[in-house]
Amino acid sequence: DTEVTQTPKHLVMGMTNKKSLKCEQHMGHRAMYWYKQKAKKPPELMFVYSYEKLSINESVPSRFSPECPNSSLLNLHLHALQPEDSALYLCASSQARQGVNTEAFFGQGTRLTVV
Amino acid sequence: GEDVEQSLFLSVREGDSSVINCTYTDSSSTYLYWYKQEPGAGLQLLTYIFSNMDMKQDQRLTVLLNKKDKHLSLRIADTQTGDSAIYFCAGGEAGGYNKLIFGAGTRLAVHP
Repeated sequence: DTEVTQTPKHLVMGMTNKKSLKCEQHMGHRAMYWYKQKAKKPPELMFVYSYEKLSINESVPSRFSPECPNSSLLNLHLHALQPEDSALYLCASSQARQGVNTEAFFGQGTRLTVV
Repeated sequence: GEDVEQSLFLSVREGDSSVINCTYTDSSSTYLYWYKQEPGAGLQLLTYIFSNMDMKQDQRLTVLLNKKDKHLSLRIADTQTGDSAIYFCAGGEAGGYNKLIFGAGTRLAVHP
């Protein structure tokens, strides 16, 4: 099973709403990632969790708040977003061991539209 | 930091071979990856190559790595319409997690 499951697939939210994106994997991976992909652009890294601890925050605005409640789940809490935050949000997971191929497996993404 | 460049568009006839090229700046990437993205979908890992290898073949896919020129290519043999997608190369380090840096992506269009 090399599946990373993201919910919801589509989300439309207002600028005053609070919503959450969810990601789940059962591959035993201990590294999980959030990427943001704007139209016609490559994915850009937002956050990395390694062993449920935040390892990288790529200077992401505080209106995006990640959470890793356990080794299988990764959430992205959204609050007071702007229309320019509309994008495809991709979750990925990989092994988290030194010296091995940490190939990342991606979910299908959540397409977020902020109105 | 790592910078990865790709040509943006490639058009091929069905049944021909496709070659997608990528150059990178940071030779410390331990592994180099090719991902495929179909419209509206996530990224599918196609194949990868360890930086100590020159070539890797996986069914219709052949990856060539020229470390001296920092050049990576993906060859798809017998290209089919189902291969139409955007292909991203990405560099990553085996440092406990994988901070992938993606190229801009190459849109492959396969026509009859």
